[in-house]
Amino acid sequence: DSGVTQTPKHLITATGQRVTLRCSPRSGDLSVYWYQQSLDQGLQFLIQYYNGEERAKGNILERFSAQQFPDLHSELNLSSLELGDSALYFCASSVGTDRTEAFFGQGTRLTVV
Amino acid sequence: GENVEQHPSTLSVQEGDSAVIKCTYSDSASNYFPWYKQELGKRPQLIIDIRSNVGEKKDQRIAVTLNKTAKHFSLHITETQPEDSAVYFCAATPPGSNYQLIWGAGTKLIIKP
Repeated sequence: DSGVTQTPKHLITATGQRVTLRCSPRSGDLSVYWYQQSLDQGLQFLIQYYNGEERAKGNILERFSAQQFPDLHSELNLSSLELGDSALYFCASSVGTDRTEAFFGQGTRLTVV
Repeated sequence: GENVEQHPSTLSVQEGDSAVIKCTYSDSASNYFPWYKQELGKRPQLIIDIRSNVGEKKDQRIAVTLNKTAKHFSLHITETQPEDSAVYFCAATPPGSNYQLIWGAGTKLIIKP
């Protein structure tokens, strides 16, 4: 157990819908990262938050948004879903200092039908 | 910005033989290089990491070497076992990147019995 909790584990939804993925980082970690992993693909970085503020953006679509709350949990919102959004979405957390080891959650498998 | 290239994309070795996966990076100031292992359907997990002030690090059957001059680092797995079959990702952290991990594309390691 990495200490990073993601919910839900599985999500099936229809095209055009909106979903919210949730992540609770490890205790003490201030930095949260979101990644998308399509079938047999690498880790595509979406966005990073540090102590409530957006720190870096990757290849995140305009239909996607995220935030980190005062209690440090984070949510990734995906809207106007398309078939191609089906993927495994990982959240990772780290202390956010020079100790950059990232711990991953178990992921949320999103299936858009 | 930093760019990490990983080779090979697929590596098949006989059980008991050694496996070597190599990553090259572009930003000579990058200072942290972790390796993650991802088993099928599971989250990536850190297996070993190295910082720029060290040339080699070992942990039982796995080792990582860093050549700062050539800007590459490698993962070495000796006496491979079936449970080593997985996808391996390398990453690099350039300074001033908000402790961002820049990922390689991954190597699928297949251990043949």
